[in-house]
Amino acid sequence: SAVISQKPSRDICQRGTSLTIQCQVDSQVTMMFWYRQQPGQSLTLIATANQGSEATYESGFVIDKFPISRPNLTFSTLTVSNMSPEDSSIYLCGARPTVGEQFFGPGTRLTVL
Amino acid sequence: GENVEQHPSTLSVQEGDSAVIKCTYSDSASNYFPWYKQELGKRPQLIIDIRSNVGEKKDQRIAVTLNKTAKHFSLHITETQPEDSAVYFCAAWGRTNFGNEKLTFGTGTRLTIIP
Repeated sequence: SAVISQKPSRDICQRGTSLTIQCQVDSQVTMMFWYRQQPGQSLTLIATANQGSEATYESGFVIDKFPISRPNLTFSTLTVSNMSPEDSSIYLCGARPTVGEQFFGPGTRLTVL
Repeated sequence: GENVEQHPSTLSVQEGDSAVIKCTYSDSASNYFPWYKQELGKRPQLIIDIRSNVGEKKDQRIAVTLNKTAKHFSLHITETQPEDSAVYFCAAWGRTNFGNEKLTFGTGTRLTIIP
């Protein structure tokens, strides 16, 4: 299984500002993903981070709000832009090192005041 | 795109008894079905998975069954223990309307083991 780390683990931010979350995998992976999880709810896919090309966003999520980078096969960033209190959530990075299996980072708990 | 439904949303079981969680999916092309356990404040952990060419898979006290014809799969936990208390998510791996691949998650089941 892949070991996935995320930074920061948590942050409290003011509305209107932006936060960049980093995800590092200990081995090269084909696919990386970004999810949002509201308290007590399931995981919602924000986008698939594609290495060498633009991320693929799910319905309801746009690049201007959630720009994503993936400069190589082990690293990705998600930026939450122009934050509002509605963006308060846990953001999880996912990675798929082999066919099928997908693992998650520890998550970033974001609170927007 | 894929739609995954999960039942029940909450489940309380006496310690030592069995627990069963059921999921249905909509896309017959989905071919991989993992189950995740998420403890409070922790990341989802993959506990077992099954591929579309297999009907059942076991790992100690945990088993998963898949019925491709009916498009449903289930998680079975036997001899439950207090540490089994967590939220469990089923998921289905398939293609989106945009042609890319992704996991679609069920809504989760909060399992409580009563000592």
